[in-house]
Amino acid sequence: GAVVSQHPSWVICKSGTSVKIECRSLDFQATTMFWYRQFPKQSLMLMATSNEGSKATYEQGVEKDKFLINHASLTLSTLTVTSAHPEDSSFYICSATSGQVNPGANVLTFGAGSRLTVL
Amino acid sequence: SQKIEQNSEALNIQEGKTATLTCNYTNYSPAYLQWYRQDPGRGPVFLLLIRENEKEKRKERLKVTFDTTLKQSLFHITASQPADSATYLCALDTGGFKTIFGAGTRLFVKA
Repeated sequence: GAVVSQHPSWVICKSGTSVKIECRSLDFQATTMFWYRQFPKQSLMLMATSNEGSKATYEQGVEKDKFLINHASLTLSTLTVTSAHPEDSSFYICSATSGQVNPGANVLTFGAGSRLTVL
Repeated sequence: SQKIEQNSEALNIQEGKTATLTCNYTNYSPAYLQWYRQDPGRGPVFLLLIRENEKEKRKERLKVTFDTTLKQSLFHITASQPADSATYLCALDTGGFKTIFGAGTRLFVKA
């Protein structure tokens, strides 16, 4: 089945530093990947849609200069939180659709998530 | 804009009983609706998808219904087990290959 690997699973950093999170599709090619952010007991909030070889599409209210997304290949997308601050602390999750299950539907395979804590 | 409402209160049931979770949406009926399971500190895992022309879908102990008149989907787990304890998320396609999620309902199954 489709597998998405996300790394690191947790990271602690100092305020002002940048953190990179990687998302890889292991056994399928993902032309589109999605980045979500989740606060405790809240819904997943879509941050951006990442397309291979092109610029990411950001949702309203998401700062593209703060959250840099790069989708360099069909199997890798990265999210860089630049100049991180405590309010950026959250659970970040990536996902991809393989198109193998339920054709025509956007069924998502998620990574395990990355817990970011900014001190 | 489309909104998804799931019961924010946790659902506590006894092992062996049927758990029923509700998902309501506010605007247009989507072409399909999905249910995911999320364990603490993990990413969601896809469970079932039901299309707008389907009334019911089953997979092992899971059953999903989709009522476009009521703008509601029900998610049932029969013969529930403690291992079924998790948060269950309802998700809708909003078009343009974009999926939005409800906040989820936490299920606790007691042995």
